[in-house]
Amino acid sequence: DQQVKQNSPSLSVQEGRISILNCDYTNSMFDYFLWYKKYPAEGPTFLISISSIKDKNEDGRFTVFLNKSAKHLSLHIVPSQPGDSAVYFCAASEVGGGADGLTFGKGTHLIIQP
Amino acid sequence: DAGVIQSPRHEVTEMGQEVTLRCKPISGHNSLFWYRQTMMRGLELLIYFNNNVPIDDSGMPEDRFSAKMPNASFSTLKIQPSEPRDSAVYFCASSFRTVLETQYFGPGTRLLVL
Repeated sequence: DQQVKQNSPSLSVQEGRISILNCDYTNSMFDYFLWYKKYPAEGPTFLISISSIKDKNEDGRFTVFLNKSAKHLSLHIVPSQPGDSAVYFCAASEVGGGADGLTFGKGTHLIIQP
Repeated sequence: DAGVIQSPRHEVTEMGQEVTLRCKPISGHNSLFWYRQTMMRGLELLIYFNNNVPIDDSGMPEDRFSAKMPNASFSTLKIQPSEPRDSAVYFCASSFRTVLETQYFGPGTRLLVL
């Protein structure tokens, strides 16, 4: 049973527009959420994170929103650039429960079109 | 720092053979994680260590899989005997103790079991 779900396997967005990647989770014990970005033949790299005590975290062009009641988070990239084309993984953890391992979604392949 | 180092980068073996994957974490990191990525299941946590001690191995699929961390700078993931369904990309990641510190991933080992 997938505890972290990314329901869109792929997303195509025009350069300069906003990219919105979505993620849903089922485990109410998750209290820390992260987004990782992955290029082909490379390991995932950390992008941005958010604690469950917040509902928004911003870092440059990247903003993560968390809706705890809906168990939903999203990553906004604005403006989208060609270098943003990659697979984006949503991940979650139970920090408060002492669990250090991450539970990942299956990823969304973002394609930025010129 | 060179980042997380994994070897080999690619491994092709025949069913029934023993496979050993190696990982060198980032110096100073005291948590090490092994993940597996497949098309069907995405990125899954297999096992993680804190200060060389295995903390959670609930993700290890079967007894054929074993992991060790004899010291702070080296870990192995062994599959014996290997099966075609073990074909996947295996990632090693490291971080400081708390998950609030981002995990840094290695480039992965692409394993193909024929």
